[in-house]
Amino acid sequence: NAGVTQTPKFQVLKTGQSMTLQCAQDMNHNSMYWYRQDPGMGLRLIYYSASEGTTDKGEVPNGYNVSRLNKREFSLRLESAAPSQTSVYFCASSENNAGRGYTFGSGTRLTVV
Amino acid sequence: GESVGLHLPTLSVQEGDNSIINCAYSNSASDYFIWYKQESGKGPQFIIDIRSNMDKRQGQRVTVLLNKTVKHLSLQIAATQPGDSAVYFCAEMIYNQGGKLIFGQGTELSVKP
Repeated sequence: NAGVTQTPKFQVLKTGQSMTLQCAQDMNHNSMYWYRQDPGMGLRLIYYSASEGTTDKGEVPNGYNVSRLNKREFSLRLESAAPSQTSVYFCASSENNAGRGYTFGSGTRLTVV
Repeated sequence: GESVGLHLPTLSVQEGDNSIINCAYSNSASDYFIWYKQESGKGPQFIIDIRSNMDKRQGQRVTVLLNKTVKHLSLQIAATQPGDSAVYFCAEMIYNQGGKLIFGQGTELSVKP
């Protein structure tokens, strides 16, 4: 089925550990995004990639890095996880400048202890 | 220290009644607005959108109203059903800023049978 696939779905890390969240889309979208969602809050943009080969910071980029590996894949890396990064992470993709066309993955629930 | 989760605003309605969910957006330069529905454990799903040159748009059982003077957006759901129970987010976009969406806090809609 066409869509956005995120892996893993769940992850528990110890403080200081590193990990990479994977995201892939098969809709040939140009733009991809990483958001985090904390309890009782909306989604906040971490990083985005308007097109293959470009990445830009969003609202809350500190503590994260991203890689737009190719048009399909956009990964989010936590180099040294902190408890404040406990959250649900959503990847999304879209046609350029098309909010209607945003498709979200089902999320990765990350707990840092 | 740890952040404390916020409690989402909650709207409770009887099945069959109309629901109105409100949102105040932040940027007067925003070109485009979207309402998303998020069910528990899932990513946001597109409901309806509106461009800044419009003040009303209707879909199936849903209507979005935009008041740019006071930077206010509302979502009206007609004949609310139990399946409408979810968290609803408004989001705003400025087209020439990479197509990135900025989300509001969200409102939890609870439909009583």
